[in-house]
Order: sequence, then C-alpha cells, then structure tokens
Amino acid sequence: EPEVTQTPSHQVTQMGQEVILRCVPISNHLYFYWYRQILGQKVEFLVSFYNNEISEKSEIFDDQFSVERPDGSNFTLKIRSTKLEDSAMYFCASSGGTAVSEQYFGPGTRLTVT
Amino acid sequence: QKEVEQNSGPLSVPEGAIASLNCTYSDRVSQSFFWYRQYSGKSPELIMSIYSNGDKEDGRFTAQLNKASQYVSLLIRDSQPSDSATYLCAVRTAGGGADGLTFGKGTHLIIQP
Repeated sequence: EPEVTQTPSHQVTQMGQEVILRCVPISNHLYFYWYRQILGQKVEFLVSFYNNEISEKSEIFDDQFSVERPDGSNFTLKIRSTKLEDSAMYFCASSGGTAVSEQYFGPGTRLTVT
Repeated sequence: QKEVEQNSGPLSVPEGAIASLNCTYSDRVSQSFFWYRQYSGKSPELIMSIYSNGDKEDGRFTAQLNKASQYVSLLIRDSQPSDSATYLCAVRTAGGGADGLTFGKGTHLIIQP
C-alpha cells in the first residue's frame, strides 16, 4: 500500500541553524501539506501546496518557513533560523487520487532545537 | 477562528463494549470531517471520513454527522485493547482541494481487557 515517507526521523539542530525536512508524498497525489505537533498539544496546520505553489498557509507559517517541490517526488519544508519553540513533530501529508479530501500522514520528523 | 472541541478524556471502556467519541466544531461552513487515530509517538492515521449528514459505517467504526448541531461522533463497536489510542477529530472548510485540516486536541481512549 502506498504511503508517505519522511526523512530524517529525528533531527537535532542548534538555535539559529537552518533545517530542511524531506517528504515523499504518495505518488499519484496532487496536494501536499505540512503540519506540526508540539509535544502534548494538538496537530496544527502549517501550509498546503498544489500545482507548484502555496495554496493556503496558517499564521504559524511565517517568513522563516518555506516549502519547495524540487523534483517530481520530493516535498520539503525549510526552517531558515530555528528557534527553541520550533521543537516539535513535523508531519507531511498528501491527498488526491480518488478521494481528494482524504489526507494521509507520513511518520513524522522529530525536530529538536537546542 | 476555527475551533474543534473534544473531551480529552481519558475515556475508559471495557473490552467488547461500544466506545463513543464526540466532537463539535465552530465553523458552520465546514464541509469535510475526519477521524484519525494516533498512537503515542506515532503519526495520525485516517480511519473515517464523512461529508453529509447521517451515519457512515466501515467495519467496527461508525461516523455520525449532524451539521445543524455542528456535531460529529465516532462509535467503535466490539472495542479491542488495540483500539486504545488518542482519537483526533479534524474538520475542513472546503469540500476538496488544498485546504488544511483543523484538529481537535483528541480524546484518549483506553480499552480495559
């Protein structure tokens, strides 16, 4: 069964450093998303991406964040200058195919900012 | 501000009984509703979607939607210990396309053997 994959599973970085989180969405899906979940809190929407551009973004997704689909398979989230409060699980999701509304999540990347 | 409310629990249910999970949402124009299961330390796993008023059944799971009351529920029949997890209610305004989901905080369900 097709699934969303994410790398790395765990990333540790120092405050102020740039990180890139990588995702491979399900191959026939057209819509891609990033979410985050701070430990013990709810899942929060960051951004959605369709047809090589951002479709929607939340208030969390400020100028330090960017997304890119550099090739036909990868979808990336870049955080330019990490802060302690960026420590969270970051989930990539994709939707499309026969049920365009249903979003399927990857296993997540745990980002720890020290 | 879109809000999705769930009782955080824990909700404790004996094995074999019916577990009933509830969710309310604030945005009246919401179109799509989802239930995800999340085990500790894992990612959300989609278990049900519902788009129109009424019931939708899939195996041991039944989702119920009442748009007039802005209420969504999930019933789990014949509860198993493996159903112990946090259940997340998620809502989207648009009927399809690229809108993000608004999640509730989740209900922690414990199935007692």
